Amino acid sequence: QVQLQQSGPGLVKPSQTLSLTCAISGDSVSSNSAAWNWIRQSPSRGLEWLGRTYFRSKWYNDYAISVKSRITINPDTSKNQFSLQLNSVTPEDTAVYYCARVARGTYDLWGQGTLVTVSS
Amino acid sequence: EIVMTQSPATLSVSPGERATLSCRASQSVSSNLAWYQQKSGQAPRLLIYGASTRATGIPARFSGSGSGTEFTLTISSLQSEDFAVYYCQQYNNWPYTFGQGTKLEIK
Repeated sequence: QVQLQQSGPGLVKPSQTLSLTCAISGDSVSSNSAAWNWIRQSPSRGLEWLGRTYFRSKWYNDYAISVKSRITINPDTSKNQFSLQLNSVTPEDTAVYYCARVARGTYDLWGQGTLVTVSS
Repeated sequence: EIVMTQSPATLSVSPGERATLSCRASQSVSSNLAWYQQKSGQAPRLLIYGASTRATGIPARFSGSGSGTEFTLTISSLQSEDFAVYYCQQYNNWPYTFGQGTKLEIK
């Protein structure tokens, strides 16, 4: 059974770095037919795609313009997982963060979600 | 970036009745349109892809139609477990984008 399991802190202080990890079971982060994404959801922004990493003979990353200067998504092939780092967070980054797999264009597999609150 | 607009924002329907949800794209997305269901406290779940193909395990009471810029999700006979928020998403153009959602509530 394919699953995504998220981990990481639920509280981050302003100006610090938000770090989350998504562990993959039943598939491979190095798959040539999937992309591994981070999406967040808040009442004000709805579902907001943040970025993705994927392997097509080499590794690629794409990031949303809104966070491009602050975000890094890294694959970890040794642990079959991928991570999100979002720097210099503010209260506006408070949201539920999801990892998700894209296959054939659709988000067909999601992690359980992590509520991250940015507060001192 | 393609903007996806869903209507109505909230739809009140009685159990057993039919629900019709709409999604409009700011430019053609062909049939590259998906629908998701999200229940409170859960991640979204893929219902429909290719505008009309049900994902694995999705009941036949869910159906999708449309192409180009106008799409519809129909739930033929609402069950209690169907009351949730529904999102459309286009995957014709990068970046893929979601609508803002329609909340389906019990009348």
